Amino acid sequence: EVQLVESGGGLVQPGGSLRLSCVASGFTLSNYWMNWVRQAPGKGLEWVANIKRDGNEKYYVDSVKGRFTISRDNGKNSLYLQMNSLRAEDTAVYYCASPGDWGQGTLVTVSS
Amino acid sequence: QAVVTQEPSLTVSPGGTVTLTCGSSTGVVTSGHYPFWFQQKPGQAPRTLIYDTSNKHSWTPARFSGSLLGGKAALTLSGAQPEDEAEYFCLLSYSGPRVFGGGTKLTVL
Repeated sequence: EVQLVESGGGLVQPGGSLRLSCVASGFTLSNYWMNWVRQAPGKGLEWVANIKRDGNEKYYVDSVKGRFTISRDNGKNSLYLQMNSLRAEDTAVYYCASPGDWGQGTLVTVSS
Repeated sequence: QAVVTQEPSLTVSPGGTVTLTCGSSTGVVTSGHYPFWFQQKPGQAPRTLIYDTSNKHSWTPARFSGSLLGGKAALTLSGAQPEDEAEYFCLLSYSGPRVFGGGTKLTVL
């Protein structure tokens, strides 16, 4: 059974940092481009970032460029999102997603 | 970055047919945008229904189909069931970055 399990969310003050992790089981992460997607409370889906199979290409939505960094460790079947300089508008459930599968998400709340 | 547009809401009768569309501010949507369609029910994570315009996953009900229609990506539901009431999001690729549409809330009534 394919599973993507995110962790690392929580409450952080504006300007703070968090590192999200996503561990895959039941499939080989290295075969896929991987994505982070977020959903603010009561809002639609927003694509945040993606990373090529070998990690050599990365893309970001404009609003997180320079603040977020996506990375992967194919040996650990894991995907990461380092989030710095967090803002209130980054508050959302963050999902790890392959082309076919989604995790259950981890909630990030940015508030003082 | 591009803006992807979807109908905010649609209603379909049980057993009826409805088509949701996904347009791009950059122009015609093509297979090169690798359109995806996702279904999300309240309180749940999204689920991928369609990838690369028209390909289905093993869990995608046969009543859903994807296509290109009138310069947009399209998701057609034929024979709507009550359990299809959900929000549907499309996703387009722009040679690396991706952009979601705003979502279509589909009511089966």
